[in-house]
Amino acid sequence: NAGVTQTPKFRVLKTGQSMTLLCAQDMNHEYMYWYRQDPGMGLRLIHYSVGEGTTAKGEVPDGYNVSRLKKQNFLLGLESAAPSQTSVYFCASSYSIGEQFFGPGTRLTVL
Amino acid sequence: AQTVTQSQPEMSVQEAETVTLSCTYDTSESDYYLFWYKQPPSRQMILVIRQEAYKQQNATENRFSVNFQKAAKSFSLKISDSQLGDAAMYFCAYRRPTGGGADGLTFGKGTHLIIQP
Repeated sequence: NAGVTQTPKFRVLKTGQSMTLLCAQDMNHEYMYWYRQDPGMGLRLIHYSVGEGTTAKGEVPDGYNVSRLKKQNFLLGLESAAPSQTSVYFCASSYSIGEQFFGPGTRLTVL
Repeated sequence: AQTVTQSQPEMSVQEAETVTLSCTYDTSESDYYLFWYKQPPSRQMILVIRQEAYKQQNATENRFSVNFQKAAKSFSLKISDSQLGDAAMYFCAYRRPTGGGADGLTFGKGTHLIIQP
């Protein structure tokens, strides 16, 4: 039981490049989330999904897109990366109530 | 919108002593969930303890306990018999109950806990 996994763990991009972060969970959770963590800040919600084929915006959605084609996977895309998107990205999943389970994070640097 | 405030950016405690981390929140909801997460240098987010707002009894998990004051909207974490492995960032988080997990968690900015040997 791997829990929540994220790919890749580290990535460096140049401004304007695109990339996709992959999150996978094996706990059969309906809900999945993408957060970003910046220095001196707690995690902030980017997008979330309450089930396969559904997505919704969180607190800081601009510049990101997401897709949930399979229940166990949640993808976060950056179409044109900007230095302001340099951050650590966390994926999480949960049942409808209670705690969220987090992946190990992806450190993204945009030059 | 809900907000979560952690007023202590950093706390230091001697090994084996007790330390309390503060958290206050603002909400108009009557039912919700509160959590404390630990983030060690590995950056993995680890659940420490959870509290359902409808429960009057304070949650405890081994050396970790909370003081939940619903009227005051306060949710402090007490760590007893502090150990070196407790050194980490600690985040207080709030979750709405309605719509399941629809809105995600709202986090405070965190408290950096230092354990002095």
